[in-house]
Amino acid sequence: EAQVTQNPRYLITVTGKKLTVTCSQNMNHEYMSWYRQDPGLGLRQIYYSMNVEVTDKGDVPEGYKVSRKEKRNFPLILESPSPNQTSLYFCASSIRDTSYEQYFGPGTRLTVT
Amino acid sequence: AQKVTQAQTEISVVEKEDVTLDCVYETRDTTYYLFWYKQPPSGELVFLIRRNSFDEQNEISGRYSWNFQKSTSSFNFTITASQVVDSAVYFCALSDPYNNNDMRFGAGTRLTVKP
Repeated sequence: EAQVTQNPRYLITVTGKKLTVTCSQNMNHEYMSWYRQDPGLGLRQIYYSMNVEVTDKGDVPEGYKVSRKEKRNFPLILESPSPNQTSLYFCASSIRDTSYEQYFGPGTRLTVT
Repeated sequence: AQKVTQAQTEISVVEKEDVTLDCVYETRDTTYYLFWYKQPPSGELVFLIRRNSFDEQNEISGRYSWNFQKSTSSFNFTITASQVVDSAVYFCALSDPYNNNDMRFGAGTRLTVKP
C-alpha cells in the first residue's frame, strides 16, 4: 500500500530535549516536505527536499533541521524544542514537486512543556 | 508574496443543503497550481483536486464542483446536497513550483453538516 508514515504519532517532551520525528514514504517520490498545522493558521511549510541531499527552507524553518540521506526518509529534528513548537506536524511527499498532489502522513502531535 | 485567504472560518449547514467554500489567492506569477484538501475529524489530509493556472475549466466530481476564475483570483468549492460525512476542515492551497516550490495553505474552513 502506497503510504507516508510518521513516528511517533504523539509526543510530549520538555523544553530543550532534542527529538526527531521520522517520516518515510514507499512511493519513490522525489519531493518531500514538512508542515506544521496551528489553529487559525492552516498548514505552514517548514522545510522541503527535492531529492537526496537537496533540502531548502520553507516558510517557518527556525528551530528545525532536516536531512535527506535516503530517498524514502526525511526526518525532522528539533535540537532544542520550545513551547512555541507545540503543534501538529505533517510530513508529505509528491512525485516531483509542489505542482503535483501531495500525499500526507497521519500527523504527529507534539507538546513541549 | 503568495497568499491564500479562506474568509469563512466555520460554516454550518443542514444535510441536503448546498454549500460553497470560498478561496481567494494572491500571486504575481502566471504559472501556479491550486489545490483543495479535506481534513476529516480523524485528522488525515485527503487530496480533492488540483488545477493549473492555464486551465480555467470548471470541474465536477459527483456532488463536488470547483469554480476557478482567474479574473477574481478565486477557486471556490461547492458541495451539492451535503451529507454528514462531508463534515471536515477544508484547505485551499496555492503552489509555485518555479519559485522555490513555494506552497501556501489557507487557514481552512470548518464545515459542519447536521443531520
